[in-house]
Amino acid sequence: KQEVTQIPAALSVPEGENLVLNCSFTDSAIYNLQWFRQDPGKGLTSLLLIQSSQREQTSGRLNASLDKSSGRSTLYIAASQPGDSATYLCAGGGSQGNLIFGKGTKLSVKP
Amino acid sequence: GAGVSQTPSNKVTEKGKYVELRCDPISGHTALYWYRQSLGQGPEFLIYFQGTGAADDSGLPNDRFFAVRPEGSVSTLKIQRTERGDSAVYLCASSLNGGTGVRTDTQYFGPGTRLTVL
Repeated sequence: KQEVTQIPAALSVPEGENLVLNCSFTDSAIYNLQWFRQDPGKGLTSLLLIQSSQREQTSGRLNASLDKSSGRSTLYIAASQPGDSATYLCAGGGSQGNLIFGKGTKLSVKP
Repeated sequence: GAGVSQTPSNKVTEKGKYVELRCDPISGHTALYWYRQSLGQGPEFLIYFQGTGAADDSGLPNDRFFAVRPEGSVSTLKIQRTERGDSAVYLCASSLNGGTGVRTDTQYFGPGTRLTVL
């Protein structure tokens, strides 16, 4: 059974700092890896989707990597801003798209 | 364009009652997913529809939970004899085609329905 773990559970950084969020999964047979952002009381917003055949995806200040062999993904955020404060969730995808989520990393970027 | 919408946004019910939660996916999306999220946890997969059929209902916790999507668009999650442990935020997501094993489409989530069972 797929299990997804995110470290750290919470992170506080000063504005402008570059940071890395970590995600690990137990079953390397995932079909994709997705990163989401969740603001308090809100639904999830998709940030990046890495298909199983890909190694990384980039969008603006965000870069996500996927290493299936080691069961790891990272989300890199460059030049963090207070508006980046949210909970970041990673999820491993099954063959039909159903997602197994980690518990998330709560990020706080201080002005 | 319009995103995924869910109604109601909040539902308070008493233990033992029946509730229905509605999801309106993005127009044209064939795949629809239900998840539930407890406080401090990531969302937990419940059921996946491809068109009108439930392609994977392995995440439904027990037979009190049931979901339908009769016309391949709107979906309703139904919970019978609610229990306090059912309290959570129920999230719905849709994607264009779901997954094929080779390629998976991005899932777009609705704002959720917060269910409180007293």
